[in-house]
Amino acid sequence: GAVVSQHPSWVICKSGTSVKIECRSLDFQATTMFWYRQFPKQSLMLMATSNEGSKATYEQGVEKDKFLINHASLTLSTLTVTSAHPEDSSFYICSATRGVAGGIVAGELFFGEGSRLTVL
Amino acid sequence: QQQVKQSPQSLIVQKGGISIINCAYENTAFDYFPWYQQFPGKGPALLIAIRPDVSEKKEGRFTISFNKSAKQFSLHIMDSPPGDSATYFCAATGNQFYFGTGTSLTVIP
Repeated sequence: GAVVSQHPSWVICKSGTSVKIECRSLDFQATTMFWYRQFPKQSLMLMATSNEGSKATYEQGVEKDKFLINHASLTLSTLTVTSAHPEDSSFYICSATRGVAGGIVAGELFFGEGSRLTVL
Repeated sequence: QQQVKQSPQSLIVQKGGISIINCAYENTAFDYFPWYQQFPGKGPALLIAIRPDVSEKKEGRFTISFNKSAKQFSLHIMDSPPGDSATYFCAATGNQFYFGTGTSLTVIP
C-alpha cells in the first residue's frame, strides 16, 4: 500500500507556543488529506479535510484559527496547533487519498503513524 | 449521530481463539467497508475490506461477512496469536469516511 509519513511522531511543548505537524504522501499524490484527533481508547474524530491548493474544510466544533491546516502541494499537508494549551494534548493522525479533490476513491485511505502532542 | 455502530467495545480471547466484531450502518449509499487495525501509539492500518456486492471475503485468518439486507458486517479473526492484540475499527465510505467506535481486542497467551 501507499505510504504516508507523519512528523514529528511525538512533541512536547509549553503552553502558549505553536506546534506544526507534517503529513507527507511518499509515493503518491494526495489530492485530499484528512486530519483526525484521537483521545485514549476512543475512535478517530475527523477535524478537517484539506484539498491541495484550497482552504481546508473544518468539522463542526473545530476551531479553524487554532488548528491551521495548509495543503500546499500534492504530497504535503501541515497542521499547526496555535497557542497550544494542555487541553490540546492528544494524538493527531493524518490520512491521505488519491481520490479526486473533495471526494474519496473508496478504500484508498492511507494513514500516517500519528503524532503525540503533549502541552505542558 | 453515529453513522457506523460497532460492538463489542472490548474483547478478550485466549491464544488460538476466535474473535467476532460486529458493525451496523444505516446509509445505503455506503459502498465500501474497510476494517482497520491500530496498535497503541500508531496510526490505523488497513486490514481487509469488502464491497457490498459480495457476502464474504477472506484473507488469511481474517474474514469479513457482509449482510446487505441487514446492513451489517462483521470481522472474524481466527486462531489469534497475542500479536493480534490491538484496537479494530470498522468503517464505511460513500462520499465521506465514517469510523466505528473501535473494539479493543486482547489475546491472552
